Amino acid sequence: GENVEQHPSTLSVQEGDSAVIKCTYSDSASNYFPWYKQELGKRPQLIIDIRSNVGEKKDQRIAVTLNKTAKHFSLHITETQPEDSAVYFCAAIQGAQKLVFGQGTRLTINP
Amino acid sequence: GAVVSQHPSRVICKSGTSVKIECRSLDFQATTMFWYRQFPKKSLMLMATSNEGSKATYEQGVEKDKFLINHASLTLSTLTVTSAHPEDSSFYICSARDFLSYNEQFFGPGTRLTVL
Repeated sequence: GENVEQHPSTLSVQEGDSAVIKCTYSDSASNYFPWYKQELGKRPQLIIDIRSNVGEKKDQRIAVTLNKTAKHFSLHITETQPEDSAVYFCAAIQGAQKLVFGQGTRLTINP
Repeated sequence: GAVVSQHPSRVICKSGTSVKIECRSLDFQATTMFWYRQFPKKSLMLMATSNEGSKATYEQGVEKDKFLINHASLTLSTLTVTSAHPEDSSFYICSARDFLSYNEQFFGPGTRLTVL
């Protein structure tokens, strides 16, 4: 089955700097890669996703890149703000099957 | 967008009792619903997948007789934690998918279960 590894587990950056979180996956058949933001006690919130036929996707300050050959994908947040502080999860899915989540990254934005 | 609700949001129960958690898709028909468990500072772990009108498919290590899942309609799935013990205390989150969303899952707000 699919296995998703996420790094780093914690990340602290200064407000205004960029943050990058990386994930690798094991199943080359996986074709959908969402990123979620989760605040304490809340549901995971989809912030961006990418499909396997695309190499990069951007939405304002958030971007995701996908390298299918290396089987890794990354989340990039630019011009970070205090409200970006949360736990971020990557995930991978093959077809219509189940989502497999990474271990999570606790992002702290220091003012 | 697609909305999923869960009830209750918090529940405290005594050890040995059973607790039922409801997951509803409010504005779409959920052909598939998923149940996750999340321990503090950990990731979401899939417990089971349920398709409307079918028996749930449980992940390895999840006791199907302890975590009863019913998906009797296209808008409602229930998770019953039977004979709950303190180690069952966790954050339980459901998600739902319809045949149009294909990959994307819509998450409920979660239920915080505390077993005393």
